Amino acid sequence: SQTIHQWPATLVQPVGSPLSLECTVEGTSNPNLYWYRQAAGRGLQLLFYSVGIGQISSEVPQNLSASRPQDRQFILSSKKLLLSDSGFYLCAWSVQNSYEQYFGPGTRLTVT
Amino acid sequence: SQQGEEDPQALSIQEGENATMNCSYKTSINNLQWYRQNSGRGLVHLILIRSNEREKHSGRLRVTLDTSKKSSSLLITASRAADTASYFCATAILTQGGSEKLVFGKGTKLTVNP
Repeated sequence: SQTIHQWPATLVQPVGSPLSLECTVEGTSNPNLYWYRQAAGRGLQLLFYSVGIGQISSEVPQNLSASRPQDRQFILSSKKLLLSDSGFYLCAWSVQNSYEQYFGPGTRLTVT
Repeated sequence: SQQGEEDPQALSIQEGENATMNCSYKTSINNLQWYRQNSGRGLVHLILIRSNEREKHSGRLRVTLDTSKKSSSLLITASRAADTASYFCATAILTQGGSEKLVFGKGTKLTVNP
């Protein structure tokens, strides 16, 4: 069966520090991968999605970036965090040409 | 603005009662999905209804879709305390690159009191 992992589960970082969040998927090949951010009490905002290795599409211009170095690995990064980067970050995957998405457990990021 | 908007934003009911949540959207869709999120957790896919379907059932869940009104509803029958969660609708829209992405509403927070 397929599983999706995210780490860390929680993170507290000072403003201006770098960020690296990792997401990996097991049990499937060539998935579509997604990064979302959810502010407190709000819906999900799509940040990046990827249909293959090295293929990243950005939805919202900001100081975040994403990379897909391997088929089932998706990384969210920042060189310098802002206070506004605080939130709940969710990684998700889907089968190619399928609409259903499967979410990881999320990372709670607090920028202080 | 959001493609999908859930209504109400919050709903509190007693165990055993039915819960109805609504979703409205703006553009034509191929399908509409409902997801559930327990507090502080990831989202879980509940059900997908295609644009040519009017109603779909899954256990205690019943989803309806009215494409003429661009709206959908999620009914949870005989609610339980464990149904307490936020519920989101999601619709797929085309990206500039030609692929499709999901756009989520802000969700309905359901509280089922024991």
